[in-house]
Amino acid sequence: GDSVTQMEGPVTLSEEAFLTINCTYTATGYPSLFWYVQYPGEGLQLLLKATKADDKGSNKGFEATYRKETTSFHLEKGSVQVSDSAVYFCARGNNNDMRFGAGTRLTVKP
Amino acid sequence: DAGITQSPRHKVTETGTPVTLRCHQTENHRYMYWYRQDPGHGLRLIHYSYGVKDTDKGEVSDGYSVSRSKTEDFLLTLESATSSQTSVYFCAISESGGLIDGYTFGSGTRLTVV
Repeated sequence: GDSVTQMEGPVTLSEEAFLTINCTYTATGYPSLFWYVQYPGEGLQLLLKATKADDKGSNKGFEATYRKETTSFHLEKGSVQVSDSAVYFCARGNNNDMRFGAGTRLTVKP
Repeated sequence: DAGITQSPRHKVTETGTPVTLRCHQTENHRYMYWYRQDPGHGLRLIHYSYGVKDTDKGEVSDGYSVSRSKTEDFLLTLESATSSQTSVYFCAISESGGLIDGYTFGSGTRLTVV
């Protein structure tokens, strides 16, 4: 069935390092793709989205490009900060069917 | 998020008792969802609603029921709580069903069944 697979964590980086979190999906049709972020004790927050192939979503220095040919939506940031420490979830959405990856915990050290 | 609130935030209950969790929104969104979050599983959909009195099952609906008598409220009931239902429960809302706008999540309810 449809699913989302993202790289396992935890990921630990030093401040100002480059971040990549891989995400691939399987789906029928043409889903939208999302990255959500969850800080401790809170619900998920939408970080960025892309609704069609080759779209690039971006927010707060994070970027991800909808790659239909590789069914991927990898999250990147050029220079992470300590405040980016959180759990990141990749998701694909298609008419009331939002499927989430298992989450990747990122810790950024000063 | 100011537009969606969950209550209670924490609850401890005994096995076999009924439990109701409440989700309240002020955004007038049509779609509402209940998810549970467990380590290693991400979020899994329990039930969702696409309008007043219109609900449908998600992938882990056994042991749960829902009701939506008003646009703003979506209730999740554990009919007879079991230890396997210990989890963090999140409510989410959406204007378009998630295809365009994604979901907005509440802050969660941590439920412990002892």
